Amino acid sequence: DTAVSQTPKYLVTQMGNDKSIKCEQNLGHDTMYWYKQDSKKFLKIMFSYNNKELIINETVPNRFSPKSPDKAHLNLHINSLELGDSAVYFCASSQELARVTDTQYFGPGTRLTVL
Amino acid sequence: GQNIDQPTEMTATEGAIVQINCTYQTSGFNGLFWYQQHAGEAPTFLSYNVLDGLEEKGRFSSFLSRSKGYSYLLLKELQMKDSASYLCAVMDSNYQLIWGAGTKLIIKP
Repeated sequence: DTAVSQTPKYLVTQMGNDKSIKCEQNLGHDTMYWYKQDSKKFLKIMFSYNNKELIINETVPNRFSPKSPDKAHLNLHINSLELGDSAVYFCASSQELARVTDTQYFGPGTRLTVL
Repeated sequence: GQNIDQPTEMTATEGAIVQINCTYQTSGFNGLFWYQQHAGEAPTFLSYNVLDGLEEKGRFSSFLSRSKGYSYLLLKELQMKDSASYLCAVMDSNYQLIWGAGTKLIIKP
């Protein structure tokens, strides 16, 4: 079984469209994250959710909205897509945010291309 | 500001040893992680250091000096499958991971 899964793996869409990326983890972790990895390979954290509450929002445009129906899922919805949103988006999870020895487990990534 | 520096790219020979350095400046320190990322794949955990010194795990070892804001990842007996990017990440005082851009390691036969 895949520990952290994301769908879709590839997403190609037009500017101005709205799209969603889904993420699920079956590790029983309490915290989930969304990262954006740009062409320069920097992993930039976008959001993290702990027990269904948003606890970090790193100055991400409000076109991006995370939605967590339960602690095993953290979906990312993007409105009015722009060319600069093209990147690979990774979902990750960890047991607890404040347990420093906890590693983050990553999903396979979603490659978003905005035309 | 917070900053993680790593070399962009390194090349090594199969069977050899390579050391990938990472220097950091962050708001607080709650540990340093190394992740491996193969092209087109997700990062996978390699090591975690929070105390000074060397942590050895098979062919991979990671070293930390908190006073110098410095870490390295040492890979021994290099194999072709070790060709990947190696990401250094520091957990700051807010328990947020600050990521470096990664070092692309190319292994030649």
